[in-house]
Amino acid sequence: DAGVTQTPRHEVAEKGQTIILKCEPVSGHNDLFWYRQTKIQGLELLSYFRSKSLMEDGGAFKDRFKAEMLNSSFSTLKIQPTEPKDSAVYLCASSWGTGTYEQYFGPGTRLTVL
Amino acid sequence: GDSVTQTEGPVTVSESESLIINCTYSATSIAYPNLFWYVRYPGEGLQLLLKVITAGQKGSSRGFEATYNKETTSFHLQKASVQESDSAVYYCALGEGPGYQNFYFGKGTSLTVIP
Repeated sequence: DAGVTQTPRHEVAEKGQTIILKCEPVSGHNDLFWYRQTKIQGLELLSYFRSKSLMEDGGAFKDRFKAEMLNSSFSTLKIQPTEPKDSAVYLCASSWGTGTYEQYFGPGTRLTVL
Repeated sequence: GDSVTQTEGPVTVSESESLIINCTYSATSIAYPNLFWYVRYPGEGLQLLLKVITAGQKGSSRGFEATYNKETTSFHLQKASVQESDSAVYYCALGEGPGYQNFYFGKGTSLTVIP
């Protein structure tokens, strides 16, 4: 079975650029999550989709972060414009459902903003 | 709001020693959340180690155990005898259950097992 795939694995951007990260969830999963991971803050939820509908837009991340799920098998996370403080690992995860169910994580995209 | 607090790392133990990584949680929006331990081995993605969705129950996997204690709001991870291959980062997590989307992760505990 294919797990969660994320591309690219590494991204380097200049301050002010727009970057788009991509995620393909496990086939058949209903829920998709985007997280940001840093050493200081740990895992922070950015966005959450249930059956392609946006359920959580990340509060403080709303301004420059936008996640979309165009179909059940593909999601993007756009950061516009990027800032150096956005340097982190961005993780995508999918699940059959919320709370009770295991989340399957992708390998992550390491973003460096110069 | 809900939160998870776990042992700050890094933790270093010798092979065959016992291990405990503490995890306590605070759940304000639901009485009995679902509790998880995730692990990230070097070079691999985050993956589920074990989960317990019923208070008072114990979960186990790969020699690790964790008991859901609602009185002390704890979910400590234990192993009687660690191996070098257990070196990884361990994350305690809380899920609010069906119908709720919120999932909270601890900051992770880095474990190194010395042969």
